[in-house]
Amino acid sequence: DQQVKQNSPSLSVQEGRISILNCDYTNSMFDYFLWYKKYPAEGPTFLISISSIKDKNEDGRFTVFLNKSAKHLSLHIVPSQPGDSAVYFCAARMNRDDKIIFGKGTRLHILP
Amino acid sequence: DTAVSQTPKYLVTQMGNDKSIKCEQNLGHDTMYWYKQDSKKFLKIMFSYNNKELIINETVPNRFSPKSPDKAHLNLHINSLELGDSAVYFCASSQGLGLAGADTQYFGPGTRLTVL
Repeated sequence: DQQVKQNSPSLSVQEGRISILNCDYTNSMFDYFLWYKKYPAEGPTFLISISSIKDKNEDGRFTVFLNKSAKHLSLHIVPSQPGDSAVYFCAARMNRDDKIIFGKGTRLHILP
Repeated sequence: DTAVSQTPKYLVTQMGNDKSIKCEQNLGHDTMYWYKQDSKKFLKIMFSYNNKELIINETVPNRFSPKSPDKAHLNLHINSLELGDSAVYFCASSQGLGLAGADTQYFGPGTRLTVL
């Protein structure tokens, strides 16, 4: 039972353009949504989060948008840089417990 | 200084053996976790400990036993290893229980376990 889904296993974007990574979820009880970035042979690193009561959170080149009615969130990276090439995990959690539910990840390739 | 460290990085062993993976965090965090990333790339929580007490225990076979000697360490012992245990295991830590908000979890580099 996949509560957090990332339907695109990979995405290629030209350097300097906008990267948009998508995520869908099924559980309307989630209170927070998070994005993690993972390089090969390293653990995931927290990137940005958004509370379920917000619809947008921005941090530098990274913006996360939340559409609760569609149970959809997206991560925008602009402009994309070579160092952004990594696997991006969408994740969600409820305030009542400490469990983070991860999606399967999307591999982002930034092309020169 | 590595915030969350795991040893070993790679572990290759035969079916039926017993093995341990160690995890240490130097962040002063109260909560530590073990995650498993299987061949399908799903990253799933196995256990969490807060101040040496078990908080989350997902439906993991009892061959897996976490041990927390102190709040900076959470080791994972696996008995009678099976082929299906082959995966990457990640340790993580966070400041609290996350009940007040999006408490960030910091991950270790992972341990790739291969059971032959």
